[in-house]
Order: sequence, then C-alpha cells, then structure tokens
Amino acid sequence: LAKTTQPISMDSYEGQEVNITCSHNNIATNDYITWYQQFPSQGPRFIIQGYKTKVTNEVASLFIPADRKSSTLSLPRVSLSDTAVYYCLVVRMDSNYQLIWGAGTKLIIKP
Amino acid sequence: DVKVTQSSRYLVKRTGEKVFLECVQDMDHENMFWYRQDPGLGLRLIYFSYDVKMKEKGDIPEGYSVSREKKERFSLILESASTNQTSMYLCASSTGQGANEQYFGPGTRLTVT
Repeated sequence: LAKTTQPISMDSYEGQEVNITCSHNNIATNDYITWYQQFPSQGPRFIIQGYKTKVTNEVASLFIPADRKSSTLSLPRVSLSDTAVYYCLVVRMDSNYQLIWGAGTKLIIKP
Repeated sequence: DVKVTQSSRYLVKRTGEKVFLECVQDMDHENMFWYRQDPGLGLRLIYFSYDVKMKEKGDIPEGYSVSREKKERFSLILESASTNQTSMYLCASSTGQGANEQYFGPGTRLTVT
C-alpha cells in the first residue's frame, strides 16, 4: 500500500534553514513528488514539485535522492510567516491515478 | 490569479439532510477535486473529475456523490448527512495532466448534528 510519511511537527527559529523530510518507500517509476503549504482557514498552496535530484524555486528547494524513497523540502532563512502545515504529496501517474497525501507537518517558527 | 470559490465557509446541517457543496473555478481547468480534511489524517480524496460529466472515485467515496454539468462547477452531494461527515471540505482544480499544481478553495467547514 502506497503511503507518504512525514513528521507531525517541527520547531525552528527565524533565520534558520528548515528541512522537512517525507518518506515514500513505495514510490513508483512515474510518480511525482509535490509539496504544499497550508495556513489556518485557507486551502493548501503549491510550493514545489520534482521527479528526481534537486529542484529550486524562489521560495524552496526540493531534494530527491537517487532511489526516490524520500524527499526533503528545504526552506531557507525562515521567518515567522512560514509557520504553517506542510504536506507532501505523491502523484501516481500510472493506469490508476492516485493522490497519496502525507498527514502534514506543522512547522512552528519562533522569534 | 486562479480563483476557486466554495459556496459556504461554514455550514450546519442535521443528520439525514441532503447537503450540496458547490465549487466554482474561473481558469477553465479540466480537473476538479473534492477532499475532506480531518486532524491527523491530512487530505483524503473523495472524488475527482477530469472532464464535464466525468467522475472518478477517490479514496473515500462512500456516502458522497458528485456532479459536473459544466466545466467550471463541481458539486459534492451528501445524500443523507451523518455525524461522521462533519469535516472540512476542500475543493481544488488543476489543468492538463494529473501531476500539475492544484489550486484550492478556502474550504467549507461542515457540521452535522
């Protein structure tokens, strides 16, 4: 059974780099890895997506090792406004389209 | 900006009532999704649609049905609401292939008493 697992919560401080790791041991060849951010009373918002190696955009980086069984979302120099829940999503693109969401990591940034 | 709107932010219904949750997107997206979100369980897919009048079951379709008569609108129907359907319901849309970014609405907090 495909599953994504991520830590329930994490704390960090302003200005630090934060890394959130997601485990997806049963990832398949055509699966994509996506991360979303959710603030209270809002729907999730797309952060970044990758297939392998490293992807970087203006807000985050995504590191995916060669075996693709995990992925790490990296947030550089976090601020208080980065306090949110972060979701890992594996999108399965084979004959049975599936969206395999993690339960979310509540990230709290302290001053 | 893509906008996904949901008909209500908060809804209170009684057990056994028929409940309609409406979702509208304004970006001509092919794909639309309905999720429920519960503490500790993350997002669970109820149904999705990749075209008008097309629908596919997600992970937890029991007790729900959907309707997509127009491309921009995707409705979630609870035929006979039960207390275990008290939850946050999120609608999303995306374009093209299934791995593309999903845009979410603000959610509807449904309470069934």
